[in-house]
Amino acid sequence: QMRLVESGGGLVKSGGSLRLSCEVSGFTFSDYHMNWIRQAPGKGLEWLSYISSSGSLIYYADSVKGRFTISRDNAQNSLYLQMNSLRAEDTAVYYCARDGKWSGAFDVWGQGTMVTVSS
Amino acid sequence: DVVMTQSPLSLPVTLGQPASISCSSSQSLVHSDGNTYLNWFQQRPGQSPRRLIYKVSNRDSGVPDRFSGSGSGTDFTLKISRVEAEDVGVYYCMQGTHWPRTFGQGTKVEIK
Repeated sequence: QMRLVESGGGLVKSGGSLRLSCEVSGFTFSDYHMNWIRQAPGKGLEWLSYISSSGSLIYYADSVKGRFTISRDNAQNSLYLQMNSLRAEDTAVYYCARDGKWSGAFDVWGQGTMVTVSS
Repeated sequence: DVVMTQSPLSLPVTLGQPASISCSSSQSLVHSDGNTYLNWFQQRPGQSPRRLIYKVSNRDSGVPDRFSGSGSGTDFTLKISRVEAEDVGVYYCMQGTHWPRTFGQGTKVEIK
């Protein structure tokens, strides 16, 4: 069974940092491109970042470019999001999501981890 | 960025009746590879999003056949042929043709 499990969320002060992790199981992680997506309380979905299966290609949304860094460790079956210079508006549930090999974006999602940035 | 606009934003429906959600994009979603990367997602209350439809009209595994997607270019539709209680939630369209990937605002489906 395919599983994506996020961790690392919590309460942090404005200007602080957090590192989110997404541990996957049930499929060959190194074969798949991955993403981070977030959802502010009561709001819609916002794509944040993409990393190719090898890690060679990376994209960011403008809202996090220069502050957040996506990475992966295929040997550890894990995806990461390093978040620096956090702001109140970064408060959200953060999801990792897989891209399907042929079907495209976000075919499998994790359960999410909550990040709260206090001002 | 490609703006995805959904309508309506709120959709009260009667059990057993059909429902339809529209999604329009500010640019054509036809990719240079010939595919149209328009997906639909369902988010039930308190749950993570779940993909229902990929590349306009392809149902994901396990998605009931009462859900269907259609459209082309810049205009797309998600239809539920007969709404069931478990369909309550928020539905999002999303384009994967252009970077950055963008979502619609979401349509909240509720039972009358």
